[in-house]
Amino acid sequence: DGGITQSPKYLFRKEGQNVTLSCEQNLNHDAMYWYRQDPGQGLRLIYYSQIVNDFQKGDIAEGYSVSREKKESFPLTVTSAQKNPTAFYLCASKAGPSTDTQYFGPGTRLTVL
Amino acid sequence: GENVEQHPSTLSVQEGDSAVIKCTYSDSASNYFPWYKQELGKRPQLIIDIRSNVGEKKDQRIAVTLNKTAKHFSLHITETQPEDSAVYFCAASGSNYQLIWGAGTKLIIKP
Repeated sequence: DGGITQSPKYLFRKEGQNVTLSCEQNLNHDAMYWYRQDPGQGLRLIYYSQIVNDFQKGDIAEGYSVSREKKESFPLTVTSAQKNPTAFYLCASKAGPSTDTQYFGPGTRLTVL
Repeated sequence: GENVEQHPSTLSVQEGDSAVIKCTYSDSASNYFPWYKQELGKRPQLIIDIRSNVGEKKDQRIAVTLNKTAKHFSLHITETQPEDSAVYFCAASGSNYQLIWGAGTKLIIKP
C-alpha cells in the first residue's frame, strides 16, 4: 500500500470545471484501476489499465477520462460532463495478469462546491 | 452478468463474540476471493484471501471458507475486538482481470 500515492487528499471543484486526480505507484505494477466510492456505498470501477498506453472503461466511465503514458502513473480527469462527482476516489494497482491482489492508494475526496 | 451479493449489510456483535459475513458469486469461473477491511475515511486493506483450490484459510482470528459448489464464501472473525469495527468488502475475480465487489458489511463491535 505504501507504494501507491494519490494527490491531493482533498479537492474542491466548482461546477463546470475539469479536475485531475493523481495516482502514482513505485511497485512496478502493470495494472492500475480507478474506483469511485459514495458515502456508505461500495466500490464502483471507473477505468482500468492492464498495460502502458492501453485502458478500458469500467462500469461508470461516463464523465471521466484517463491516460496511461507511463507505467507508474494513471491520472483521472473528472470532466464537467460528470454531473455528480462528489465522492471518494480510490486508485489501485496489481502486479500483472498472473496476480490477483489489488492494493489501494489512500484516496482523494472530491467535493463540488 | 457478474455479480457478488454480500450479507448482512450491518452486523452488530458483542465484543468477544464471533462475526460471520457471507458472500455469493455468480461467475463459476471466479477463482480468487479476497476480503478487504475499510476503516472510516481510509483505504480498503486486504485482510485475507482464498483461491478456488482451497476450501478454508485461517490467519489468527480471521478465517475464510469457500464452497465452490454453492458459489459462496464467508469471512469468520473470532474473539472480536473494538478495532475490528469497520466496513468489510468481499470480492470475486471476474473477466478482464477485474474484481467484482460486494456492497460491504458494516461491522459494529459493542463493548
